[in-house]
Amino acid sequence: NAGVTQTPKFRVLKTGQSMTLLCAQDMNHEYMYWYRQDPGMGLRLIHYSVGEGTTAKGEVPDGYNVSRLKKQNFLLGLESAAPSQTSVYFCASSYAGVPYEQYFGPGTRLTVT
Amino acid sequence: GDSVTQMEGPVTLSEEAFLTINCTYTATGYPSLFWYVQYPGEGLQLLLKATKADDKGSNKGFEATYRKETTSFHLEKGSVQVSDSAVYFCARGSQGNLIFGKGTKLSVKP
Repeated sequence: NAGVTQTPKFRVLKTGQSMTLLCAQDMNHEYMYWYRQDPGMGLRLIHYSVGEGTTAKGEVPDGYNVSRLKKQNFLLGLESAAPSQTSVYFCASSYAGVPYEQYFGPGTRLTVT
Repeated sequence: GDSVTQMEGPVTLSEEAFLTINCTYTATGYPSLFWYVQYPGEGLQLLLKATKADDKGSNKGFEATYRKETTSFHLEKGSVQVSDSAVYFCARGSQGNLIFGKGTKLSVKP
């Protein structure tokens, strides 16, 4: 039981490049989330999904897109990376009945130069 | 809007010292309240929770009591260990999502 896994762990992009972060969970959770963590800012919700094929915007969605084609996977895309997107990205998942009890992945550290 | 405010860190304590990390929340409704912990290099883990007023959440020697009258959910531990060094986040539920405080870094020295 791997829990929540994220790929890759580290990535460096140049401004304007694109990339996709992959999150996978093996707990059969209905809900999945993407957060970014910045120094002094805590965690901020980017996008979330309450089920396969359904996504919604969080607090800071601009510059990101997401897809949930399979229940166990949640992808976060950056179409044209900007230095302001330098951050640590965390994926999380939860059961629908207890959405606040979230299980987090280990994070992806992204640097945009 | 809904928000959570927690004391700024970093907090540095000696082993076996008493720990308090203050947390207050905006009083919109009666939210569920949480403490999450992030150990170095890892994702967040749920530490404890309380879902209604006067509830006390507890886990691993940590405690927090849901105080509606002061809109607070302060984290306490009677005797910290070096292994408790981490970043602690207070959070509240809000319309199906979590709203986190900015985090408080705790360092415990032997």
